[in-house]
Amino acid sequence: GDSVTQMEGPVTLSEEAFLTINCTYTATGYPSLFWYVQYPGEGLQLLLKATKADDKGSNKGFEATYRKETTSFHLEKGSVQVSDSAVYFCALSGKAAGNKLTFGGGTRVLVKP
Amino acid sequence: NAGVTQTPKFRILKIGQSMTLQCTQDMNHNYMYWYRQDPGMGLKLIYYSVGAGITDKGEVPNGYNVSRSTTEDFPLRLELAAPSQTSVYFCASRKTGPQNTGELFFGEGSRLTVL
Repeated sequence: GDSVTQMEGPVTLSEEAFLTINCTYTATGYPSLFWYVQYPGEGLQLLLKATKADDKGSNKGFEATYRKETTSFHLEKGSVQVSDSAVYFCALSGKAAGNKLTFGGGTRVLVKP
Repeated sequence: NAGVTQTPKFRILKIGQSMTLQCTQDMNHNYMYWYRQDPGMGLKLIYYSVGAGITDKGEVPNGYNVSRSTTEDFPLRLELAAPSQTSVYFCASRKTGPQNTGELFFGEGSRLTVL
């Protein structure tokens, strides 16, 4: 079945540091890939997505590129802020009935001033 | 815009009690989902529905039931609460058809503790 693996946290960074969160996936065919963000006490929000190989999703300074050859969708941001402290989830949407999302385990990021 | 609304936000149950988590969405989305999120873990799919009158099991359906009598509502029922059901529950919905971007819209979550 489909699965998503992402690096475990927590990741602790200083403000303006570079952030990378690794994500790899296993799926049949060509899934759509997503990054969701969960701020403390809130539900998940879509951060960015990519629907086909070599697509780059971007939003709020975050970027991720759909790499079919390495089955990866790593999240990056060049200069993090304290407000980026959150839990980040990588997810895929396969072709199975219901277009269900399969989530990775989440990576907690803490940015210190 | 209300989006996806879940109630209650918090609940404490005793072992063996029953309860229903309510979920309603006002976006006319056909697809709806229930996930649970255990501490430090990702989200696991409990049940989903592709439209009124149609439901199907996800990864972890045991101990839960759902119904979908209307497009708007997708309640999740726990019949005999167990400590293993202590979790945060998220309801989500998505568009279908030409406007489908694949994005799930989530409620704010319902934190359930079973003692």
